[in-house]
Amino acid sequence: EAQVTQNPRYLITVTGKKLTVTCSQNMNHEYMSWYRQDPGLGLRQIYYSMNVEVTDKGDVPEGYKVSRKEKRNFPLILESPSPNQTSLYFCASSSHYEQYFGPGTRLTVT
Amino acid sequence: GIQVEQSPPDLILQEGANSTLRCNFSDSVNNLQWFHQNPWGQLINLFYIPSGTKQNGRLSATTVATERYSLLYISSSQTTDSGVYFCAACSNDYKLSFGAGTTVTVRA
Repeated sequence: EAQVTQNPRYLITVTGKKLTVTCSQNMNHEYMSWYRQDPGLGLRQIYYSMNVEVTDKGDVPEGYKVSRKEKRNFPLILESPSPNQTSLYFCASSSHYEQYFGPGTRLTVT
Repeated sequence: GIQVEQSPPDLILQEGANSTLRCNFSDSVNNLQWFHQNPWGQLINLFYIPSGTKQNGRLSATTVATERYSLLYISSSQTTDSGVYFCAACSNDYKLSFGAGTTVTVRA
């Protein structure tokens, strides 16, 4: 089944404790990206990647890192999470413009 | 990026009713998608429709690219149709700009 998977789906952590949210797709898509969704602000792009080893900032990259060492994986790294990064995070992938979203990761930073 | 506006912001329907959701976008697009966000927060792909008309069961969508709008039709609504419907578009890149969404509540 073609899909985008994210792990974990839910995470509660404390300020400053490094964490990684994994994203994987099995559709051989070149393009992958991360979004966050916040009440009143909608969905905003954090980072995107056009291909392996090619990443770039989206609209709200501060406090996040990404890497693209393999085509199928695009992890989101929070080196020192803060409470303002509490949000619902989505990973997406695409080959020819149509985008497919993962199930979301609900992150709470206390 | 593209500006995307959705209307109405909220919609309350009686089960069995039909409805139309509208999405206006500010520029020409190579991607226009409709999503349904369910109560668990998952974004479900409904349509990829940069132009033309598509139908999937009780849902259908039409995009008039030259006039920069898209419509999502829900017919014979069911309580499981409740949730937030998002329109998203992009032009010359892959970055989707999302509308603010239409919150649909279907009452039994």
